[in-house]
Amino acid sequence: DAKTTQPTSMDCAEGRAANLPCNHSTISGNEYVYWYRQIHSQGPQYIIHGLKNNETNEMASLIITEDRKSSTLILPHATLRDTAVYYCIVFSGNTGKLIFGQGTTLQVKP
Amino acid sequence: EADIYQTPRYLVIGTGKKITLECSQTMGHDKMYWYQQDPGMELHLIHYSYGVNSTEKGDLSSESTVSRIRTEHFPLTLESARPSHTSQYLCASRARLAGGQETQYFGPGTRLLVL
Repeated sequence: DAKTTQPTSMDCAEGRAANLPCNHSTISGNEYVYWYRQIHSQGPQYIIHGLKNNETNEMASLIITEDRKSSTLILPHATLRDTAVYYCIVFSGNTGKLIFGQGTTLQVKP
Repeated sequence: EADIYQTPRYLVIGTGKKITLECSQTMGHDKMYWYQQDPGMELHLIHYSYGVNSTEKGDLSSESTVSRIRTEHFPLTLESARPSHTSQYLCASRARLAGGQETQYFGPGTRLLVL
């Protein structure tokens, strides 16, 4: 599974959009981009995933570049409860192994 | 969403004790996983199972063992706990999403402190 690179930490003002970037330059054709978050050392929570098209659900939007080498997770209106560590993972599903990196610690401030 | 249950949530135990961390899921998922996570650090896969009577070691060496006698139950055992086993242990099961892709759903974790 390909590795990902994320900024260590980011701040965002409450009510504003949080844009979390992720680089995955070695992603292969059958690998999806997944995003999880972990709030205060609880179990990680699935947010969204995509292959090459942009995706949106009730939690977030995922923008994947045309070359698939990077992506951005967008929380459109961040709240204090969105403060968490956000993990970007590329995963083909074949091995079933999620490889978690350090993630991005998002701090939403009032 | 998958319902993944872990007990206990918190455990403080003395060195040398045998402990079993319980994990169960009610969705009939075949694939289950155990991860270990030290505070502020990455998750590391320590064990996984693709179904009943199937268990494999993960990417991180661990002195724990697992068993999978029933689909819904995937307990992790430490025969003789040591302070180096102090960590958070997270259980997950693999589910199929709408559209066919798969992902993992995690339990709340067990925080273990070995004195």
